[in-house]
Amino acid sequence: DAKTTQPPSMDCAEGRAANLPCNHSTISGNEYVYWYRQIHSQGPQYIIHGLKNNETNEMASLIITEDRKSSTLILPHATLRDTAVYYCIVSNSGNTGKLIFGQGTTLQVKP
Amino acid sequence: EPEVTQTPSHQVTQMGQEVILRCVPISNHLYFYWYRQILGQKVEFLVSFYNNEISEKSEIFDDQFSVERPDGSNFTLKIRSTKLEDSAMYFCASSEAISFRPLHFGNGTRLTVT
Repeated sequence: DAKTTQPPSMDCAEGRAANLPCNHSTISGNEYVYWYRQIHSQGPQYIIHGLKNNETNEMASLIITEDRKSSTLILPHATLRDTAVYYCIVSNSGNTGKLIFGQGTTLQVKP
Repeated sequence: EPEVTQTPSHQVTQMGQEVILRCVPISNHLYFYWYRQILGQKVEFLVSFYNNEISEKSEIFDDQFSVERPDGSNFTLKIRSTKLEDSAMYFCASSEAISFRPLHFGNGTRLTVT
């Protein structure tokens, strides 16, 4: 089973920041936090990952709490194309690539 | 940006028939994966493959399934005798050799078993 807990759904107004929370209270010291999203049954798309420091890339920011038990994915200016299911995954699988997907959060960006 | 490509996008087959799903991973990637998603359900790991060997496989990946890298570019998933419950989206993914690098997924093959 997935080792993360996410709200099943969230709404966000277009142009506003979307803040997607994730709880991973049983995370181990060598596990990374990954975020992927899936737009309308396309293949999952990698967004960002981190170990303990906050991370930012061209798509999003990842804020990890100091105790690493939770994290927040931030889409700074959500667009309609960001409507998708967002998955928070913790993994220490290295190169075996075994990601355990949960149900994720369905983010609906509204005009 | 390089991408993982999968063919066909949709495959319909009769129960008991063999199917081969094809994938072309990103060219400099060395790790390859198959995942599947039954309609309305979670994305599930099937198998990972490196250096012409299976690295890890799930309980789903039983003797009916096999993977192969027949040449330098293709990565295939074969289902020997399809069942109705094999109907799903099958996603191929690849990643670089460096640890903890992200997976890049293709857009999937929708397999329908009738």
